[in-house]
Amino acid sequence: AQTVTQSQPEMSVQEAETVTLSCTYDTSENNYYLFWYKQPPSRQMILVIRQEAYKQQNATENRFSVNFQKAAKSFSLKISDSQLGDTAMYFCAFMKQTDKLIFGTGTRLQVFP
Amino acid sequence: KAGVTQTPRYLIKTRGQQVTLSCSPISGHRSVSWYQQTPGQGLQFLFEYFSETQRNKGNFPGRFSGRQFSNSRSEMNVSTLELGDSALYLCASSVADGGSGNTIYFGEGSWLTVV
Repeated sequence: AQTVTQSQPEMSVQEAETVTLSCTYDTSENNYYLFWYKQPPSRQMILVIRQEAYKQQNATENRFSVNFQKAAKSFSLKISDSQLGDTAMYFCAFMKQTDKLIFGTGTRLQVFP
Repeated sequence: KAGVTQTPRYLIKTRGQQVTLSCSPISGHRSVSWYQQTPGQGLQFLFEYFSETQRNKGNFPGRFSGRQFSNSRSEMNVSTLELGDSALYLCASSVADGGSGNTIYFGEGSWLTVV
């Protein structure tokens, strides 16, 4: 069975600084997808970024980028130029082809002015 | 394009009652899945429907059921409610074409409180 581990329950960063959230996963699959979702206080789950396992190039979305290390089964999220609006819970998630999402326990990120 | 819409957003039920939650997926999305979020158990997968058929099921008791209609709208039902069913229920949809459409988009959730 697949598992997703987020070892940082809480993190904080100053506005405009860079922060990296860690995520590791365990799977015997070769083809899969990885996601980072953001859940602000409104509790809506918002997609931040996705990565296909067959792609070696790390995904980027504006200030958000990932460091995908397939062999190490690691998928960290880097947030550059942090903004107050980035304050939220961040969930790492794994998905096999057309299957369910398996979530980590989340990292609560606080951005301070 | 409208996002995933869930109704009702908030509801309070009494133990032993049943509840039905509704979800309208993003237009063109054929897969609808449901997740339960609680402080203790985190985010857990309930079930997924694709073209009116349940394709995946999580590890929940039979009191939790769902269905999908021909227009891809979905409902989930919880019967004989227990206090532990109090949670945020999130609906999500995707194109589910096995390729780039595998991204899953979530609704705002339905907050269920069982008293």
